[in-house]
Amino acid sequence: DTGVSQNPRHKITKRGQNVTFRCDPISEHNRLYWYRQTLGQGPEFLTYFQNEAQLEKSRLLSDRFSAERPKGSFSTLEIQRTEQGDSAMYLCASSFLSAPSYNEQFFGPGTRLTVL
Amino acid sequence: AQKVTQAQTEISVVEKEDVTLDCVYETRDTTYYLFWYKQPPSGELVFLIRRNSFDEQNEISGRYSWNFQKSTSSFNFTITASQVVDSAVYFCALSPRSGGGYQKVTFGIGTKLQVIP
Repeated sequence: DTGVSQNPRHKITKRGQNVTFRCDPISEHNRLYWYRQTLGQGPEFLTYFQNEAQLEKSRLLSDRFSAERPKGSFSTLEIQRTEQGDSAMYLCASSFLSAPSYNEQFFGPGTRLTVL
Repeated sequence: AQKVTQAQTEISVVEKEDVTLDCVYETRDTTYYLFWYKQPPSGELVFLIRRNSFDEQNEISGRYSWNFQKSTSSFNFTITASQVVDSAVYFCALSPRSGGGYQKVTFGIGTKLQVIP
């Protein structure tokens, strides 16, 4: 039984570089979520997918951010032209939706991004 | 708009003491869910409980108990006989009920609990 996994766990990059994170959800979970958590704050919702469809995006997700879930399994979150304000923990969660019941969002360990 | 307020940023208790973490929320939704999550030093968020807005029955799970009062928009969390392993940041959260379940979760700022041996 494996939980949500995220890679890499830590990423240090220079301002202006592009970075990509990967999230592998719990097997058979059809929903996948991305959150961002800055130091001393709670997680903030960024976006979520149901299968391969991206159904909602937060205003926090600027044009420099793009998320994909091409085959409805793993997802990638790319940040282009990183800024120091992008430094945060990026959390992925997954859940299973099947009417009438549903499961909770289970979170991965996160990817900590540091932009120098 | 939704908002979750956790007024206690840090709490320290001595082991075996009881401790209550406060949570007050704001929402315009008529149906919604409330949650508590635990984030230990390792960083991974651990789901503790989900409560439907139409179910005000209090819940107890081992040393944990939750008090939901819709009249005061509060969802407080009590740990009885605290242990060192309870040391973590605890987040209260809220999400509107939408179709089959919930999607966008709004978290509070968190309360850092330190249990001193």
